[in-house]
Amino acid sequence: EVVMTQSPATLSVSPGGRATLSCRASQSVNNNLAWYQQKPGQAPRLLIYGASTRATGIPARFSGSGSGTEFTLSIISLQSEDFAVYYCQQYNDWLRTFGQGTKVEVK
Amino acid sequence: QVQLVESGGGVVQPGRYLRLSCAASGFTFSNYAMHWVRQAPGKGLEWVAVISYDGSHRYYAGSAEGRFTISRDNSKNTLYLQMNILGINDTAMYYCARGAVVVDGTPHWHGLDVWGQGTTVTVSS
Repeated sequence: EVVMTQSPATLSVSPGGRATLSCRASQSVNNNLAWYQQKPGQAPRLLIYGASTRATGIPARFSGSGSGTEFTLSIISLQSEDFAVYYCQQYNDWLRTFGQGTKVEVK
Repeated sequence: QVQLVESGGGVVQPGRYLRLSCAASGFTFSNYAMHWVRQAPGKGLEWVAVISYDGSHRYYAGSAEGRFTISRDNSKNTLYLQMNILGINDTAMYYCARGAVVVDGTPHWHGLDVWGQGTTVTVSS
């Protein structure tokens, strides 16, 4: 099983600021990585797949990068609706493991 | 409108069983792999199981292997999760989600792009 580790657990950012979230895989997942956003009481929403491709309707302030074992989700000009929990998920292996999540909170 | 609607959750005693359903609409269900993902109260997302578009392949997380069975009925556009020997650690919100689309026999993964609203399973004596 591929273990996904996200850091930090919590990130405090001012509105209008920039957030950089990290996700590390225990073995290479190539670029088979997705990012999701989840707000309280809601189902997750797909943001990024293929490590860097934005899903339909996702604003350009969200960007993903990386390959192999190291991945980054960047959010610039943070809006109020961006404060949420973010998860990475690998799909290189049939067991599609998630990271434990990073909470982006208001500083 | 593309939609997934889960049902079948509830309160169940430890050691008992439950079957969840996920009704799909607004897309060609039989072209997509489907997944179950769960989230314990206050915890992160845990991938549970996947079934291929035609039901020929199924994979499970270790926590589900041997106790849970994922299945689908493409004639009814419905996904299922049979959960047996439930334990307290199975208490969670269970989501179904759409996965890879098959085009000309080749799967294309674009993430879990459609999610249901979830159904709550509580295992308690």
